[in-house]
Amino acid sequence: GNSVTQMEGPVTLSEEAFLTINCTYTATGYPSLFWYVQYPGEGLQLLLKATKADDKGSNKGFEATYRKETTSFHLEKGSVQVSDSAVYFCALGGFFRSGSARQLTFGSGTQLTVLP
Amino acid sequence: SAVISQKPSRDICQRGTSLTIQCQVDSQVTMMFWYRQQPGQSLTLIATANQGSEATYESGFVIDKFPISRPNLTFSTLTVSNMSPEDSSIYLCSARDRGKNTEAFFGQGTRLTVV
Repeated sequence: GNSVTQMEGPVTLSEEAFLTINCTYTATGYPSLFWYVQYPGEGLQLLLKATKADDKGSNKGFEATYRKETTSFHLEKGSVQVSDSAVYFCALGGFFRSGSARQLTFGSGTQLTVLP
Repeated sequence: SAVISQKPSRDICQRGTSLTIQCQVDSQVTMMFWYRQQPGQSLTLIATANQGSEATYESGFVIDKFPISRPNLTFSTLTVSNMSPEDSSIYLCSARDRGKNTEAFFGQGTRLTVV
């Protein structure tokens, strides 16, 4: 079945540091890959996505590249801000044989704290 | 995109009682899901809410404990029945359209505490 393995947290960085959160997946076929962010007390928001191999998703300075050869979708940001402090979830979008979507499979989440 | 309104946003309930959580989507979506997020944990899928028919439950979740309704394409409810402290968690409603590349949208969650 589908699964997502995400880097353990928590991660604490100083402002303007470089961020990498590792994510690898196991899936049949060619799933879509997502990063979601959850700010304290809120639901999940889509941060970025990639729908096929070698696609790069990007948003708000965050990037992730869909690497089929390494089954990875690592999240990176060149210079983090205090406002980036949140929990980040890697997710895989499975689908049925018919091609229609099914539920997302989530990684365990990584708590990021950025210190001023 | 879709905006999901979920209520209540939080509640404190007595053990043995039931709570119904409502989820309203601002547009017609094909698929709706209910997740549980226990403190410090990731999301666990409870069930897929099917319009006009019984929900599809994941392993470890049963209809008697978590009855779900979905009378139309924009609305669903999840009831947490006969609650115990172990049910204290965040419950999240999610919606996704049928295309395999579409993202899922989430409500802000219901933070439930059972005392």
